[in-house]
Amino acid sequence: NAGVTQTPKFRVLKTGQSMTLLCAQDMNHEYMYWYRQDPGMGLRLIHYSVGEGTTAKGEVPDGYNVSRLKKQNFLLGLESAAPSQTSVYFCASSLSTSYEQYFGPGTRLTVT
Amino acid sequence: QQQVKQSPQSLIVQKGGISIINCAYENTAFDYFPWYQQFPGKGPALLIAIRPDVSEKKEGRFTISFNKSAKQFSLHIMDSQPGDSATYFCAASTGSARQLTFGSGTQLTVLP
Repeated sequence: NAGVTQTPKFRVLKTGQSMTLLCAQDMNHEYMYWYRQDPGMGLRLIHYSVGEGTTAKGEVPDGYNVSRLKKQNFLLGLESAAPSQTSVYFCASSLSTSYEQYFGPGTRLTVT
Repeated sequence: QQQVKQSPQSLIVQKGGISIINCAYENTAFDYFPWYQQFPGKGPALLIAIRPDVSEKKEGRFTISFNKSAKQFSLHIMDSQPGDSATYFCAASTGSARQLTFGSGTQLTVLP
């Protein structure tokens, strides 16, 4: 099992550009989450999904969109990147019957 | 608004010593309190967790102490080892998707 994988690992964007981060899990988990990690602020929840075709806003959703067309994939989109979105992005997944979240290795995004 | 406050921001301990990290929360709807460990360049991984109906949980050298009335919980690492050097995050869970709210993190350094 690969667990939770994230693509790409690193990305540099210019202000106003768009991109999509891909999260994939092979554990048949129902729940998936996107977080951003900034120095001194811990991890903050951006969006989450409890199943295929359903998504919901987390603590810091502005500037991001998500889609979950397949159970194993959760996509995070930035339509018009801003320097404030420079961060490390983590995807996580969990079973609906468990509290434990499994995290991917992260994507380091820099917006210039 | 930070719903989970974590201290200290950084901690240096000698090998064999006890590391103590504290967290306080405000939302009484939280129903699960995990600690995550993160090594540089990696995603967080669950270390140990506790439910609010239990005052203490021990797993090996790691212990969570939980004080429901004070809305505080702490992580104790006994016999700290250089391999424990990492960033530790407390968190609290609530909601239908068991969303996590993280503390700001503690960077632990264990000197050999």
